[in-house]
Amino acid sequence: DADVTQTPRNRITKTGKRIMLECSQTKGHDRMYWYRQDPGLGLRLIYYSFDVKDINKGEISDGYSVSRQAQAKFSLSLESAIPNQTALYFCATSYGGLGSDKNIQYFGAGTRLSVL
Amino acid sequence: AQSVSQHNHHVILSEAASLELGCNYSYGGTVNLFWYVQYPGQHLQLLLKYFSGDPLVKGIKGFEAEFIKSKFSFNLRKPSVQWSDTAEYFCAVNQASGTYKYIFGTGTRLKVLA
Repeated sequence: DADVTQTPRNRITKTGKRIMLECSQTKGHDRMYWYRQDPGLGLRLIYYSFDVKDINKGEISDGYSVSRQAQAKFSLSLESAIPNQTALYFCATSYGGLGSDKNIQYFGAGTRLSVL
Repeated sequence: AQSVSQHNHHVILSEAASLELGCNYSYGGTVNLFWYVQYPGQHLQLLLKYFSGDPLVKGIKGFEAEFIKSKFSFNLRKPSVQWSDTAEYFCAVNQASGTYKYIFGTGTRLKVLA
C-alpha cells in the first residue's frame, strides 16, 4: 500500500461546483502539504500544515481551503471550481523531528482535476 | 523573495551521453537542497539531498549533485544516461530554519533517445 494516498486519482467537474480532494498518510509524519503542478510552472504550494492545529497559506491559496482532520488526513477543497484550477494536485508529507528522514518530502500519486 | 531557477526546460540526449542540469537558488541563509524525479505518469520521488557536509552528494541510479555555496548552485549530473532516465527533474530548496517551506524549480524535462 502507498504511504501517501490521494483520492480521487482523476476528477472532472463543472465550473461552480464544490470539490474535495483527500489525502491520507501512513508514514506518521507531522507535516502535510498541498501543491498544484502546471506545465512549465513546476510545483506551487497551496497550503501546508505542521500539525493538526497549524494551517498556513502557501503562495497560491486563493480559491482553496484545507482541513486537517487528523494527523494522517489533510483535505483540499475548491469551494467554487473554475477552469484555471484545472491542474495536477499533489499531497506531500514530511517529518519535522530528528532523524535521517527529516525534511524529506514524500508525495502521493496525484489527482488530475479538470474543471469544465 | 526566495526562488529556485532551473535554466534548462527541455533536454534531449542520446543514451550514454553525459547529463548536467543546472539549479540556482536565491536565499541567504542555510538551506537544504533536493533533487526530485518524476517519471511519466508517476509521483515525485527523491533522487538525492544535501543537508550538510561533503558538498558532492550521490543519489540513486548513478546521479550525483554538487553544492557550490558561493554560486548558490546545486547542479545534477550523471556520467552516462539511459533511456529509463527519461523524466522530469525538479530542484527544491528548503530553509534549514524558520518556516521550513519548500520552493521548487519549474522542472527540466529530460528525454533520452535509445
